[in-house]
Amino acid sequence: SAVISQKPSRDICQRGTSLTIQCQVDSQVTMMFWYRQQPGQSLTLIATANQGSEATYESGFVIDKFPISRPNLTFSTLTVSNMSPEDSSIYLCSVMWQGETQYFGPGTRLLVL
Amino acid sequence: GQQVMQIPQYQHVQEGEDFTTYCNSSTTLSNIQWYKQRPGGHPVFLIQLVKSGEVKKQKRLTFQFGEAKKNSSLHITATQTTDVGTYFCAGRDRGSTLGRLYFGRGTQLTVWP
Repeated sequence: SAVISQKPSRDICQRGTSLTIQCQVDSQVTMMFWYRQQPGQSLTLIATANQGSEATYESGFVIDKFPISRPNLTFSTLTVSNMSPEDSSIYLCSVMWQGETQYFGPGTRLLVL
Repeated sequence: GQQVMQIPQYQHVQEGEDFTTYCNSSTTLSNIQWYKQRPGGHPVFLIQLVKSGEVKKQKRLTFQFGEAKKNSSLHITATQTTDVGTYFCAGRDRGSTLGRLYFGRGTQLTVWP
């Protein structure tokens, strides 16, 4: 299995600012994903990030708002730009392990005031 | 597009009662996976079903994959307080991009002692 860490684990931010979330995996993986989860809600896929290519964004999410980097096979970042209170959520990274199952990071709990 | 529907959204049971959550896909799936998310935690992989009509058991948990590979269920026998959490199904469309999972909205299980 893959062990995933995320930084920060939580943050409180002012509207209009940006926050970059880091995701580190202990193994090399091809596919990484970024999800958003509102409290008590399901997982919403933001984008798929493969190393060496541009991230693929889901409908309703754009690169200007959620720029993603994937510099190597063990690391990715998601930036939440120009934040508003509506961006308050839990942000989760996950990896596809051996082409089958997904392992999730512990999540970043974001509150925007 | 691909949709995975899951019911019920909430379920409250007395400890010792059984619990079932159902998952239906709008298209035929190549496989279906189940995840559990404890309160305050992140989704954790439970099991994957691949074959038509497949049934798998993990102690008190029974997972089924429909004959048409469009529906699935998770049944918990004699629930315990440790079963509390949200259970998500996630399907991979037979024709989708490798790695893309479609998550149901989840069933939030509460177990009263």
